[in-house]
Amino acid sequence: AQSVSQHNHHVILSEAASLELGCNYSYGGTVNLFWYVQYPGQHLQLLLKYFSGDPLVKGIKGFEAEFIKSKFSFNLRKPSVQWSDTAEYFCAVKNTGRRALTFGSGTRLQVQP
Amino acid sequence: AAGVIQSPRHLIKEKRETATLKCYPIPRHDTVYWYQQGPGQDPQFLISFYEKMQSDKGSIPDRFSAQQFSDYHSELNMSSLELGDSALYFCASSFRVEGATGTQYFGPGTRLTVL
Repeated sequence: AQSVSQHNHHVILSEAASLELGCNYSYGGTVNLFWYVQYPGQHLQLLLKYFSGDPLVKGIKGFEAEFIKSKFSFNLRKPSVQWSDTAEYFCAVKNTGRRALTFGSGTRLQVQP
Repeated sequence: AAGVIQSPRHLIKEKRETATLKCYPIPRHDTVYWYQQGPGQDPQFLISFYEKMQSDKGSIPDRFSAQQFSDYHSELNMSSLELGDSALYFCASSFRVEGATGTQYFGPGTRLTVL
């Protein structure tokens, strides 16, 4: 069974700091990759997704992620975080043949003003 | 833009009671997914339906059942509730082409508390 690992469980940054959240998955076949954000008390919102092509994908709110196939990784980045980025971030993977998403355990990001 | 609607938003039940959660997908979406997110945990896939047929099954307990109706809304029925069923239950929807890629749109969730 595939699994998704997010190594950073809780990250605290100051505003304007750069962000990188790690995501690794364990599936050898073709995958589609996603990052979702969950603001406090709200539902999951799609930040960005990768299906194929350019491994560097850009999403909403200045976020981007890079797919490195050889490392089974899909790390999320943002050059300069804002207080409003305080939220929980989930990496998710979908493999071929299934419609369901497998989520990582999430990373809680706290941005201090 | 219309989003996924879930009702109720909050539900409190006693142990051994039953609960029914409803999900109304985005208009024209034909696929519905149910996920369970326990306190401090990641969402776990329960079950999905495409064109009213079960399309995928995850870690859904036998005490739970679900179906998708002709108007594409879905209901998750939970019986013999246990304390461990307390969680946030998300519904997501997709249109078949996007669904094949994994793009899903999530609803606000139903927070179920079992006392």
